[in-house]
Amino acid sequence: DQQVKQNSPSLSVQEGRISILNCDYTNSMFDYFLWYKKYPAEGPTFLISISSIKDKNEDGRFTVFLNKSAKHLSLHIVPSQPGDSAVYFCAAKKAGANNLFFGTGTRLTVIP
Amino acid sequence: SAVISQKPSRDICQRGTSLTIQCQVDSQVTMMFWYRQQPGQSLTLIATANQGSEATYESGFVIDKFPISRPNLTFSTLTVSNMSPEDSSIYLCSVEVGSREKLFFGSGTQLSVL
Repeated sequence: DQQVKQNSPSLSVQEGRISILNCDYTNSMFDYFLWYKKYPAEGPTFLISISSIKDKNEDGRFTVFLNKSAKHLSLHIVPSQPGDSAVYFCAAKKAGANNLFFGTGTRLTVIP
Repeated sequence: SAVISQKPSRDICQRGTSLTIQCQVDSQVTMMFWYRQQPGQSLTLIATANQGSEATYESGFVIDKFPISRPNLTFSTLTVSNMSPEDSSIYLCSVEVGSREKLFFGSGTQLSVL
C-alpha cells in the first residue's frame, strides 16, 4: 500500500520558469514532510521540509506548500535552473517514528 | 550534515550467493537505517540499526535474509543473503544527524543478481 504518491513520473520545464512537483499522501498520522533530490549514482539529499502545523515553507528558490485537508503537498522551484534536473522524492513521517515513507519520485528536466 | 561512505558502489552477483554492504559515517550516530529501492519503486526501509542491540526490521524483511551488524557508532553492514534476481535493487544507508527529522544518505549500492 503506497502511502505517499507522486503521480507524475516526469516533468519538463524551460529554464527560468516555475517547476511544480506534486505529492499526495493517504495517512492522516503523517505530521512531517520532506523533499529529497537525487542525482544519478548519488544518494538522495535533503532539500526542504514542512511540519503539519504550517502550510508553507520557503528556502530560496524552493517553496513547499502543504494542504492537509486535501492530503497534498507541492514543491515549487522558481526560477528553474538546468542544475535542478534530478529525481525529486517526497517523503512523510509520523511523529515519534523513525520510518520515512517515500514516493516513487518525479524526474525533473530543466531545458536550457 | 554527515559524510557517509558506502561500498561497494555496485556489484553483479550470482544467484544463491551473499553480498555484504558497508556503511561508514564520519561522525558518531545513534541510529543507522538501511533502505532499498527496487526498480521503479520508492525507497523502502529495511531495518534500523542501533549500536549494541539487535536491528529492528520492518514488515516484510527478516534477519535471516538481511543480517545487519552495528559494531560501533560510525559503522554498519547489511548482508543480502542467498540472493535471487528479485533482490536486484539499490541499497542505501542513511543516518540522522542533528534534527531528528532529516536523514542523510550514502550514495547507494547498485546490486544486480543474475
